[in-house]
Amino acid sequence: QKEVEQDPGPLSVPEGAIVSLNCTYSNSAFQYFMWYRQYSRKGPELLMYTYSSGNKEDGRFTAQVDKSSKYISLFIRDSQPSDSATYLCAMSSIQGAQKLVFGQGTRLTINP
Amino acid sequence: DVKVTQSSRYLVKRTGEKVFLECVQDMDHENMFWYRQDPGLGLRLIYFSYDVKMKEKGDIPEGYSVSREKKERFSLILESASTNQTSMYLCASTGRMDTEAFFGQGTRLTVV
Repeated sequence: QKEVEQDPGPLSVPEGAIVSLNCTYSNSAFQYFMWYRQYSRKGPELLMYTYSSGNKEDGRFTAQVDKSSKYISLFIRDSQPSDSATYLCAMSSIQGAQKLVFGQGTRLTINP
Repeated sequence: DVKVTQSSRYLVKRTGEKVFLECVQDMDHENMFWYRQDPGLGLRLIYFSYDVKMKEKGDIPEGYSVSREKKERFSLILESASTNQTSMYLCASTGRMDTEAFFGQGTRLTVV
């Protein structure tokens, strides 16, 4: 079993929809959680960063961490075609990126 | 604005060639990383460096070596390229105790 599981999709939704992307994990020591967005043929860019449990909001994006369920989510409100990308979750048990574990990534398409 | 720059976007090399992938960051970061990204396998850490001339193996170091002679530059070396090293290679950097990694645009390497 992988430490981090993420449905690779693809996921296709109409413009304006609310999108929910999720990752589950097995290592209860994870406490640093990130979401990256990766456009086609580009490197990943950091979208959201959360320490421990709780919610974090940034514009149309909300990251949620539920450590009791070992489950993290990224919500995108009022989705736009420019949100079409692959979204990767990443997490770590320690401060510092040398033990960062990534999900496979979910490919998302927003249809106009 | 943070910047991690990889020297090539696309490379085609022959089996058995020695291949150098270069990465430069302008953020004065202590840590630098090399990952490879493959469909269905996500990002896997090859090597990382936490200081000049210092390196540690990641999850898949076989067939690779690295060099960090200057703080801003981290090179990945394929000693004798093989077809199973065809992949997307991503360089990243972080501050010493930071968990959020900043990525370059990626180098898509094809070994024929």
